[in-house]
Amino acid sequence: GQQVMQIPQYQHVQEGEDFTTYCNSSTTLSNIQWYKQRPGGHPVFLIQLVKSGEVKKQKRLTFQFGEAKKNSSLHITATQTTDVGTYFCAGPSIYNQGGKLIFGQGTELSVKP
Amino acid sequence: EPEVTQTPSHQVTQMGQEVILRCVPISNHLYFYWYRQILGQKVEFLVSFYNNEISEKSEIFDDQFSVERPDGSNFTLKIRSTKLEDSAMYFCATRGTRGGYGYTFGSGTRLTVV
Repeated sequence: GQQVMQIPQYQHVQEGEDFTTYCNSSTTLSNIQWYKQRPGGHPVFLIQLVKSGEVKKQKRLTFQFGEAKKNSSLHITATQTTDVGTYFCAGPSIYNQGGKLIFGQGTELSVKP
Repeated sequence: EPEVTQTPSHQVTQMGQEVILRCVPISNHLYFYWYRQILGQKVEFLVSFYNNEISEKSEIFDDQFSVERPDGSNFTLKIRSTKLEDSAMYFCATRGTRGGYGYTFGSGTRLTVV
């Protein structure tokens, strides 16, 4: 079945440093979505990318969707303590009509002030 | 901002007992999902529900699990005979028909089977 892998599993940074997490799917995705889960919280939708090679920015966050629509990345510039949490990528396969999302394992970001 | 509401927030149950987890979706959303997350692990798909029937289910969603939308508003997940390994956070998620807005997750029900 479809698998979504994310690396790294954990990332510890000093406040102000940059952070990147990478996501790879075993199958072509119709879109890629990114979610943030704060400790003890629930996943919160950040963004969706649909087009091959698409790049979107949200303030200090930059999201990229690969040309083959099988990989994606999230880059945070100059991290802040409010960025702490686990970042998940998730995508529905192009072969799946029901839109079910398969989640990566997540990258847990901790930021030291 | 519209929310997905889940009750209870925490449920402790004896092994073998039945539990029902409840979700109130966003009113104009038509696609409903249940996911679970074992502590510290990834979010796992259980089942999707559309037009009053199951669209897809995972291997986890065996005969002990069922879903229904009994009154047109609540969306429930029932586990008939709970096992220790069912202990997890269960999230309800919904989405509308317009693209680009992702899923809206509820705050979850923490199920503890003892």
